[in-house]
Amino acid sequence: EVQLVESGGGLVQPGGSLRLSCAASGFPFRNYWMHWVRQAPGKGLVWVSRINNDGDITTYADSVKGRFTISRDNAKNTLYLQMSSLRAEDTAVYYCVRLSCGNSTDCYMRYKWFDPWGQGTLVTVSS
Amino acid sequence: DIRMTQSPSSLSASVGDRVTITCRASQSISGYLNWYQQKPGKAPKLLIYGASSLQSGVPSRFSGRGSGTDFTLTISSLQPEDFATYYCQQSYNAPITFGQGTRLEIK
Repeated sequence: EVQLVESGGGLVQPGGSLRLSCAASGFPFRNYWMHWVRQAPGKGLVWVSRINNDGDITTYADSVKGRFTISRDNAKNTLYLQMSSLRAEDTAVYYCVRLSCGNSTDCYMRYKWFDPWGQGTLVTVSS
Repeated sequence: DIRMTQSPSSLSASVGDRVTITCRASQSISGYLNWYQQKPGKAPKLLIYGASSLQSGVPSRFSGRGSGTDFTLTISSLQPEDFATYYCQQSYNAPITFGQGTRLEIK
């Protein structure tokens, strides 16, 4: 079964740090681009960051650039999100997602979508 | 960034109704449009990819249409389990962006 399982969320004070993990199983993790998406309480879905399959290309939303770092360990089939200088507005459920494009793992110029999604991990930034 | 606008933001309907949700992109995205369903406390679930392709395991009462800037998601006959929030998403350009969501409620 293709599965993503996030962990590491919790309550942190403003200005603090937290590292989220996402354990992947059931597919060749090293072949896929991976993303983080977040959802503030009662709000919509917002893309946060992405990383290529080798881990040498990363991109961030402007709202987290310079504060968050995405990384991966392909030997451990695990995706990470290191979050620092956390703010109240970072409070959200954070989802780990795989970028998929059907039978290929090269999604250039192909329709692409997020599937599967992890169950999410809640990060609460509050004093 | 490409802005995705869904309408309506909320919708009340009855079991058996046919409902359509619209998604408009701020620029042409060809067919790079996906639809997700999210139930309270759960992760989103992929319904439609490439504007009109039904994800495996998704009931055939769900369908998607459109190209360019205007897209629709239609549920042909609402079932009790369809009451949820629906999001469109463009994957044409980075960053990937989502619509604000359409909450489908029971009338």
